[in-house]
Amino acid sequence: ETGVTQTPRHLVMGMTNKKSLKCEQHLGHNAMYWYKQSAKKPLELMFVYNFKEQTENNSVPSRFSPECPNSSHLFLHLHTLQPEDSALYLCASSQEGGYNSPLHFGNGTRLTVT
Amino acid sequence: DAKTTQPNSMESNEEEPVHLPCNHSTISGTDYIHWYRQLPSQGPEYVIHGLTSNVNNRMASLAIAEDRKSSTLILHRATLRDAAVYYCILRDPGNQFYFGTGTSLTVIP
Repeated sequence: ETGVTQTPRHLVMGMTNKKSLKCEQHLGHNAMYWYKQSAKKPLELMFVYNFKEQTENNSVPSRFSPECPNSSHLFLHLHTLQPEDSALYLCASSQEGGYNSPLHFGNGTRLTVT
Repeated sequence: DAKTTQPNSMESNEEEPVHLPCNHSTISGTDYIHWYRQLPSQGPEYVIHGLTSNVNNRMASLAIAEDRKSSTLILHRATLRDAAVYYCILRDPGNQFYFGTGTSLTVIP
């Protein structure tokens, strides 16, 4: 049981499609994150939002566009992706204000770009 | 950006203790040591974290060296459900969580 819910769990899209990944946290946290996990590679931090403001963009290509309408919801809009973007996309949340606050992850969206 | 070093893989027999090592020789005085694990087909799960003193919770124990340049995650009795990839991470006020490749733990029945 997780306090962070991601939808959809699986997504197959063509290179010309536009799709969105959704994340919702039910923990009352004020920071949310997107990570990318490719096969046999470490988790890569993509974006960070604190109090709905983007505080980090880790050199992510513009074909990935995050949106954080409120502290409970986070989206990742996808367009004109490449096959190498196929990966597990993980959302996480934490309570900022203390840097010892742990991350809580969702179970991810498995994305396949064809 | 990974500032920790862990063995790629380890094995343990079921119901025996497991000691998962992590080296972080460049740790600064304000870095917290966090451990997460990732089971197959799931997102990473928080296990434990600490600063200087050893820590215990219902999942595991964290032993931190006196100079803080290394730490060990201790699972007191390994079960088959503990088979996962274990990540050791440092976090300080200016940085976010950066994960390395972790240690893949296999539990042998």
